[in-house]
Amino acid sequence: GAVVSQHPSWVICKSGTSVKIECRSLDFQATTMFWYRQFPKQSLMLMATSNEGSKATYEQGVEKDKFLINHASLTLSTLTVTSAHPEDSSFYICSARPRSTYNSPLHFGNGTRLTVT
Amino acid sequence: EDQVTQSPEALRLQEGESSSLNCSYTVSGLRGLFWYRQDPGKGPEFLFTLYSAGEEKEKERLKATLTKKESFLHITAPKPEDSATYLCAGAGGAAGNKLTFGGGTRVLVKP
Repeated sequence: GAVVSQHPSWVICKSGTSVKIECRSLDFQATTMFWYRQFPKQSLMLMATSNEGSKATYEQGVEKDKFLINHASLTLSTLTVTSAHPEDSSFYICSARPRSTYNSPLHFGNGTRLTVT
Repeated sequence: EDQVTQSPEALRLQEGESSSLNCSYTVSGLRGLFWYRQDPGKGPEFLFTLYSAGEEKEKERLKATLTKKESFLHITAPKPEDSATYLCAGAGGAAGNKLTFGGGTRVLVKP
């Protein structure tokens, strides 16, 4: 149980274009999802918290106009990287927890490798 | 500010050579300490949650323990398939319902 599916697993795009990444909770409802970014050999950096039916909360230093988050249903959150540039190339991972408690484990998708050329 | 620090950064083990990974934390009002395993190019895979000092959990060759200041992940008689990055994270306090991750320990088990 508690499976999180992320799509696509990898994407290559040209500089200036936008890319959408989907995160789905397959067997549970998630009122909150989290989006992380990970650079090679580094740990996960939280970008934003996605709340179903409301605006996402962004971490300090993360441009909300560049990284658009939509959490339209209890099983789907999307991250759109707008006007992507090579420095946006990274590994993006989403996560969700089945219950809205602080101490239930987060379950992660398998990540999306974004390469901007 | 909540902080989670893992050591060592990297660990090379021979197959069968037991060892421990350390996770030190300063998370006010800790609600849970989590251990994850991450393989290259994959998302983290949940291993354990520890809620209170003194608690221990086991899964195959892995055992996680928790004190008031740190957590340990013991790997007993590791096999090459235990090679991965192990991440710990704390939930609670100033971070609210978010997890604060440590930098991870990259474990390589040689046959």
